Parts: sequence; C-alpha cells; structure tokens
Amino acid sequence: KQEVTQIPAALSVPEGENLVLNCSFTDSAIYNLQWFRQDPGKGLTSLLLIQSSQREQTSGRLNASLDKSSGRSTLYIAASQPGDSATYLCAVTTGNQFYFGTGTSLTVIP
Amino acid sequence: NAGVMQNPRHLVRRRGQEARLRCSPMKGHSHVYWYRQLPEEGLKFMVYLQKENIIDESGMPKERFSAEFPKEGPSILRIQQVVRGDSAAYFCASSPPQPWWASGVVFFGPGTRLTVL
Repeated sequence: KQEVTQIPAALSVPEGENLVLNCSFTDSAIYNLQWFRQDPGKGLTSLLLIQSSQREQTSGRLNASLDKSSGRSTLYIAASQPGDSATYLCAVTTGNQFYFGTGTSLTVIP
Repeated sequence: NAGVMQNPRHLVRRRGQEARLRCSPMKGHSHVYWYRQLPEEGLKFMVYLQKENIIDESGMPKERFSAEFPKEGPSILRIQQVVRGDSAAYFCASSPPQPWWASGVVFFGPGTRLTVL
C-alpha cells in the first residue's frame, strides 16, 4: 500500500527566504506526482504536476523535482511571500486514486 | 464556470441521523472523486464515479456509506446513522472526460464540514 510522508509538518520562515518542502513515497511505481496548496476553509488548488517520466516542473517561483527511484519529491519556493502561507500537499497516483501526504503547514512572516 | 460546488458547506447532525452531501462538478466534467479529511490526518480516497457508474469504491467504509452520480443532478455522498467518528471535512473533486491521473487536471470543491454531535 502506498504511504506518503511530508517533512516538515510545519515551517515558519521570514519573507524573502527560499525554502524546500519534502515528500517521500513508498511505492516507486507511480504514474505521476502532484503538488497542491490548501488554504483554510477552502479546497485544494493544483500547483504542479510531474509525470513519472519527468524529473522536474517549474511554474513561476515554484519548482518541483521528482526522483522516482528513491521515492522522493521536493517543492522549492523561491523568494517566499506572506501570500504563500498555506498547507502544501503532495499526492501520488499508482492507478485509480491519488494518495495524499499529511501536508506541510507553511507560515511566511512579513 | 463556477467551479466545483459543494453544499452544504457546514452540516451538523446528531448521532443516528443521516447526512447527505452534494457535489456539482465543473461544467463538462464527467468524473467525480470524493475524499475525506479527518482531523490531523491526510486526505483519504473514498470513491471515484463517472455518470451513473461507480468506478472505484475501495475507500468507502463497507457499511452506512454510499455514493451516486446520476445522469442528471449532482453527485451525492450519503452517510446513514452517523457516528462521532464521521466528523470530518468531505471534499469532492472533478476532472474532464479523462481520469485525473491521466491528465493531471482536477478541481476541488471547498468541502463540506460534517460535525456529528
């Protein structure tokens, strides 16, 4: 059974810092990996999708990497802003469903 | 396009009552997914439906829970005889005529927060 772990569970940084969020998964036979953002009281917003054949994806200040063989992904956020404060979730799929990690709660201090 | 709509946003039920959660997918989306988020836990898959068909319900508890996505109208997640352990946020997501894992395109609703007293 696929297990997804995210470290750290919570992170607090001053505005402007670059930061890295980590995601690991136990079954490397994945179709793709997706990073989401969850704001309090709201649904999830997709940030980046990495297909299993890809190694990274970039969108603006966000860069996600995937090392399928080691079961790891990182989300790099450059020049963090207070508006980046949210919970970040990674999810992997091996078939009909996505398996989510428990998330990293990020606070960017102005 | 109004996005994925869920109602009610908050639902309070007493033990033993029934809870009905509704999800209207985005226009043109024919795939619906239900996830549950328990306090301090990650999102857990419950069920994947297409119009009039349950494709995968491997995440649904065997008793008291059911889901449907009729030809007309919203998808419904129904919980009979609710217990305190059912208190959670229930999220619905939808994707266009391709499964989520194939396209990566998925939109989540804001969730229904169920509280069982």
